[in-house]
Amino acid sequence: NAGVTQTPKFRVLKTGQSMTLLCAQDMNHEYMYWYRQDPGMGLRLIHYSVGEGTTAKGEVPDGYNVSRLKKQNFLLGLESAAPSQTSVYFCASSYLYTQYFGPGTRLTVL
Amino acid sequence: AQTVTQSQPEMSVQEAETVTLSCTYDTSENNYYLFWYKQPPSRQMILVIRQEAYKQQNATENRFSVNFQKAAKSFSLKISDSQLGDTAMYFCAFMAPNNAGNMLTFGGGTRLMVKP
Repeated sequence: NAGVTQTPKFRVLKTGQSMTLLCAQDMNHEYMYWYRQDPGMGLRLIHYSVGEGTTAKGEVPDGYNVSRLKKQNFLLGLESAAPSQTSVYFCASSYLYTQYFGPGTRLTVL
Repeated sequence: AQTVTQSQPEMSVQEAETVTLSCTYDTSENNYYLFWYKQPPSRQMILVIRQEAYKQQNATENRFSVNFQKAAKSFSLKISDSQLGDTAMYFCAFMAPNNAGNMLTFGGGTRLMVKP
């Protein structure tokens, strides 16, 4: 099993550009999450999904959208990137209250 | 809302010695879970240990153990026989079932350096 994978690993955007981060899990988990980690801080929840076709807002959802069209995939979109969205983004899936994380995507917005 | 506080931004320990990382939390929930995650320079978030609040027995995983004090809302991590590979950021996290999709609330982290 690959576990939780994220694509891409690194990305540089210009202000105003858009992009989509892809998260995939092969563990058949119902719950999936997107977090961001800013320098020197813990992770904060952006959006989450409790099953295929469902999404909900987390602590810091502004400027992001998500979709869960397939159970194994959870997409995070930035429609118009801003420098404040420079961060490391982590995807996770969970089973029996334990979350398993992907390797992260480092995003820089210039 | 839950909060998690890690009061030690940085710590260091000599190889083979024991170190304890502190974590306190605030919640009105009675049923919850607590976790320690390790984040090495590779950036990967690795689950170290998990504690269910309804269990009085402290969780252990090989060289890692916790001291869970529910009344004091304290959840410290003890690393015995420290190894160079333990060098990492350590995050304490809280989760209350059925709260926002079982989201994790993280502390600010403790950077641990294991010295040879």
